[in-house]
Amino acid sequence: EVQLLESGGGLVQPGGSLRLSCAASGFTFSNSAMTWVRQAPGKGLEWVSAISAGGDRTYYADSVKGRFTISRDNSKSTLYLQMNSLRAGDTAVYFCTKGTSSASIESLAIWGQGTMVAVSS
Amino acid sequence: SYELTQPPSVSVSPGQTATITCSGDKLGDKYVSWYQQKSGQSPVLVIYQDNKRPSGIPERFSGSNSGNTGTLTISGTQAMDEADYYCLASDSGAVVFGGGTKLTVL
Repeated sequence: EVQLLESGGGLVQPGGSLRLSCAASGFTFSNSAMTWVRQAPGKGLEWVSAISAGGDRTYYADSVKGRFTISRDNSKSTLYLQMNSLRAGDTAVYFCTKGTSSASIESLAIWGQGTMVAVSS
Repeated sequence: SYELTQPPSVSVSPGQTATITCSGDKLGDKYVSWYQQKSGQSPVLVIYQDNKRPSGIPERFSGSNSGNTGTLTISGTQAMDEADYYCLASDSGAVVFGGGTKLTVL
């Protein structure tokens, strides 16, 4: 069974940092592009960042560019999102997702259960 | 930056056809995917590449995309289809969700 399990969320002060992880299983992680999507409380979905299967290409939403870094460790089948200079507006549930094909960052077929990040003093 | 516009809400009677639109500049030149999200749950992909259904998605879900508008159609809508629906497309490497549409089945 294909599974994505996010972890690392929590409460952090404005300006702080947090690293999210997503453990993948049930598919060949090293062959799949991966994507992070977030959802603020009571709001819609927001595409955040994506990374190619080999990790050589990364993509970011303008709202997080320069503050967030996506990475992966294919030997551990794990996706990461390093979040720095956090703001109240980053408060959201963060979902790890996998596309329908190896290169897809926009047809998001598999979703984790999400991990909550709260930025507050 | 690229924007996708959806109606905030759509209402439909059980058994009828629900139509949810997604508008964006030259959207017909891009691939659109659609996501269903029920309260408290993770989103589910229901349509990708404009009109393809993932395995396990009922045939009553269909999609189209032309001009500036992508459309999700739910034929014979059931009570279980009540949810928020989001469209997604990419433009020049930037991937964007629409604002979402709340589908009410009443």
